[in-house]
Amino acid sequence: DGGITQSPKYLFRKEGQNVTLSCEQNLNHDAMYWYRQDPGQGLRLIYYSQIVNDFQKGDIAEGYSVSREKKESFPLTVTSAQKNPTAFYLCASSMEGTGRYFGPGTRLTVT
Amino acid sequence: GNSVTQMEGPVTLSEEAFLTINCTYTATGYPSLFWYVQYPGEGLQLLLKATKADDKGSNKGFEATYRKETTSFHLEKGSVQVSDSAVYFCALSNSGYSTLTFGKGTMLLVSP
Repeated sequence: DGGITQSPKYLFRKEGQNVTLSCEQNLNHDAMYWYRQDPGQGLRLIYYSQIVNDFQKGDIAEGYSVSREKKESFPLTVTSAQKNPTAFYLCASSMEGTGRYFGPGTRLTVT
Repeated sequence: GNSVTQMEGPVTLSEEAFLTINCTYTATGYPSLFWYVQYPGEGLQLLLKATKADDKGSNKGFEATYRKETTSFHLEKGSVQVSDSAVYFCALSNSGYSTLTFGKGTMLLVSP
């Protein structure tokens, strides 16, 4: 079955450490996205990529970095510069003109 | 810029009740409109969409009509089930790969 996978489902890190969240899709979608979800705030866009080796900042890119070396993969690194990294992170993909297909999410807890 | 406003929740209903979740939007041009559903601990799933004025999106008993004159896209279901308990997000997107603007979400709780 085609879909989007995110791993791991739960991730725990100590403050000051960088951490990379995985996102893979086998839908052959061109575009991929990273969102952050906090209680009561809906979804906020971190980064998106419309094509391999190219990506753009979203609304809250500070403290995050991404890469898009393959069409299927769009990993997100949460750096130590991100002041409040604890959140639920959602990856999504789409073709032009379609809605977003979302992965199951990774819940990151930083203590 | 684009924005989406949803009614605040939680919306609490008994099984088989009628559901309406209001959604209004502000956007330039002619956006596409979407409803997503998020079950506890999971990602979002596309529930339905409409791409032009007067279109009606429908899925799993849910419906929403794209009303350009009132800039609204209200979600309705005639008879809710306990399994419909989730958070519902209204969203809009202009053409192409442009970003998707979400509302803050409305939690629906259905009791037996």
